[in-house]
Amino acid sequence: NAGVMQNPRHLVRRRGQEARLRCSPMKGHSHVYWYRQLPEEGLKFMVYLQKENIIDESGMPKERFSAEFPKEGPSILRIQQVVRGDSAAYFCASSPDRGREAGELFFGEGSRLTVL
Amino acid sequence: AQSVAQPEDQVNVAEGNPLTVKCTYSVSGNPYLFWYVQYPNRGLQFLLKYITGDNLVKGSYGFEAEFNKSQTSFHLKKPSALVSDSALYFCAVREGGSGNNRLAFGKGNQVVVIP
Repeated sequence: NAGVMQNPRHLVRRRGQEARLRCSPMKGHSHVYWYRQLPEEGLKFMVYLQKENIIDESGMPKERFSAEFPKEGPSILRIQQVVRGDSAAYFCASSPDRGREAGELFFGEGSRLTVL
Repeated sequence: AQSVAQPEDQVNVAEGNPLTVKCTYSVSGNPYLFWYVQYPNRGLQFLLKYITGDNLVKGSYGFEAEFNKSQTSFHLKKPSALVSDSALYFCAVREGGSGNNRLAFGKGNQVVVIP
């Protein structure tokens, strides 16, 4: 059973370009969470999605960042007009649909974005 | 708001000695607590969780954690540390509402096991 798959693992962009990060959850999981980890810092929540719905975007920056989880295909985190401060590791996590049980999150290996 | 604190930056321990990584929490209501480990350039791996029940929770790789309500702590422990346990350890608490497994993480503790 494949784990959470993220690609690309490493991405280099110049300031002003767009970055697209993809995440395929574990098989049978319908919930996706995106986190950002800045150097020497912990993980910060960005957004929580289910298929075709954004459930919680309380951690998303107001501008330049967007996320989607279409009916078919992976979840995508999109960063427009990247700046150097966007350089970070972006982690995707998934969880199964267990209703109200506090289940653990299963993390991917991360996508490391470097903005030149 | 739900939060956790990991008061130490780095924990150094000799191989074979007991390992403890500290975590305290601040929540309204019942806490759902987690420990994760991160190896260099890797994702987070789940170690264990406390939701309800026994205060001593056993997890992966010989780790365990003790939930202490009076001290609002959830310290991670291992009786005998291995060099391969050197990694970054994160404590986390569920901060989402019902049906939302959003976690809030502590800043992490770097554990260095000295051969």
